[in-house]
Amino acid sequence: AQSVAQPEDQVNVAEGNPLTVKCTYSVSGNPYLFWYVQYPNRGLQFLLKYITGDNLVKGSYGFEAEFNKSQTSFHLKKPSALVSDSALYFCAVRDRANDYKLSFGAGTTVTVRA
Amino acid sequence: DGGITQSPKYLFRKEGQNVTLSCEQNLNHDAMYWYRQDPGQGLRLIYYSQIVNDFQKGDIAEGYSVSREKKESFPLTVTSAQKNPTAFYLCASSIDGSRRFNEQFFGPGTRLTVL
Repeated sequence: AQSVAQPEDQVNVAEGNPLTVKCTYSVSGNPYLFWYVQYPNRGLQFLLKYITGDNLVKGSYGFEAEFNKSQTSFHLKKPSALVSDSALYFCAVRDRANDYKLSFGAGTTVTVRA
Repeated sequence: DGGITQSPKYLFRKEGQNVTLSCEQNLNHDAMYWYRQDPGQGLRLIYYSQIVNDFQKGDIAEGYSVSREKKESFPLTVTSAQKNPTAFYLCASSIDGSRRFNEQFFGPGTRLTVL
């Protein structure tokens, strides 16, 4: 079985401050990890993914994420948040060896205040 | 939202009715997926299809049906057997479902409300 936990329902930061959205995962084997963003009443947009290699992954819109195998985490980060980063963020995991399902976390709502 | 279209954007269903949600992609992707999104629960997989004329149940397939007669189309029917169908439905595709590292691309969604 595979699962994802996003421990914070909401994250509030001031514009210009660093933004971190936390994600931990559970898989029986090695994971593929993904981050998506959703704006109100829209579909999900892909931000970045970890496949293998360098633990620091850079993605769209200045976002990056760090894979930590020992802590089974894949936290999303942005050095300087923008008001336009306010959205719902989803972490997702897929076990490399087992089935085709992508399991999503419950999502974290990010609010960046001006 | 890429090359995936979903229609209609809003759909209202009366009790006991079957309704069909459309999903079309022009990305030439082999794999297509249907998810249901409820507040605070993330996305849950309803059905997925890796190739034409083949599909598998996801975690919450009861009360839903799909077909995959064409590569670009993957319609979802919400039947009267689905007891709580009010939700936001998202269709997605990926270039090759067998390569698990491929990201999925999502359509804009259909919001279904039962009256």
